[in-house]
Amino acid sequence: QQQVKQSPQSLIVQKGGISIINCAYENTAFDYFPWYQQFPGKGPALLIAIRPDVSEKKEGRFTISFNKSAKQFSLHIMDSQPGDSATYFCAASKDNTDKLIFGTGTRLQVFP
Amino acid sequence: DSGVTQTPKHLITATGQRVTLRCSPRSGDLSVYWYQQSLDQGLQFLIQYYNGEERAKGNILERFSAQQFPDLHSELNLSSLELGDSALYFCASSVVWGSEAFFGQGTRLTVV
Repeated sequence: QQQVKQSPQSLIVQKGGISIINCAYENTAFDYFPWYQQFPGKGPALLIAIRPDVSEKKEGRFTISFNKSAKQFSLHIMDSQPGDSATYFCAASKDNTDKLIFGTGTRLQVFP
Repeated sequence: DSGVTQTPKHLITATGQRVTLRCSPRSGDLSVYWYQQSLDQGLQFLIQYYNGEERAKGNILERFSAQQFPDLHSELNLSSLELGDSALYFCASSVVWGSEAFFGQGTRLTVV
């Protein structure tokens, strides 16, 4: 029940295309859903986050879509660029315990 | 730069040895988390401290221990090291629980 399932494991997208990464969770107590971006040799960096009171949040080319009834959320990267090539992790947490439970990661490669 | 500082960046040690990893959180952050990242396990939560007190525990081995000091920096102690302990160890911090967590650059531990 603590798991966050992430797919796909890897994704190859052409420059200018849309990258979509999906996550699903079981624990309905989760109420904070961030996405992290990690470049090789670096720590994960917070990209965008959403709470269940909204169904979508957009920041620049990055959008989180959230479906509370399906217990799913996804990251959409519009106009994908080679600089977006990185590993993306979804995560979830509940305020009273706070620790982030991470998905297994998606390695995104954007080719020119 | 996330503002979270981890030292050392790299550590090579032999099996059976003990090492200490250090983390300085962002200024003003009271909560510190430790995560282990290995190729086959993804990002695994180890332990969380809030203002000097242990707040949550994850899949942390008994050979591992941590503490948070009055100045809020934290140390992760790993003892009786095994080859399987080789991984990236990340520290993250946040102001309080339920808020954004910022990750350091990590310590790459290699046990030989």
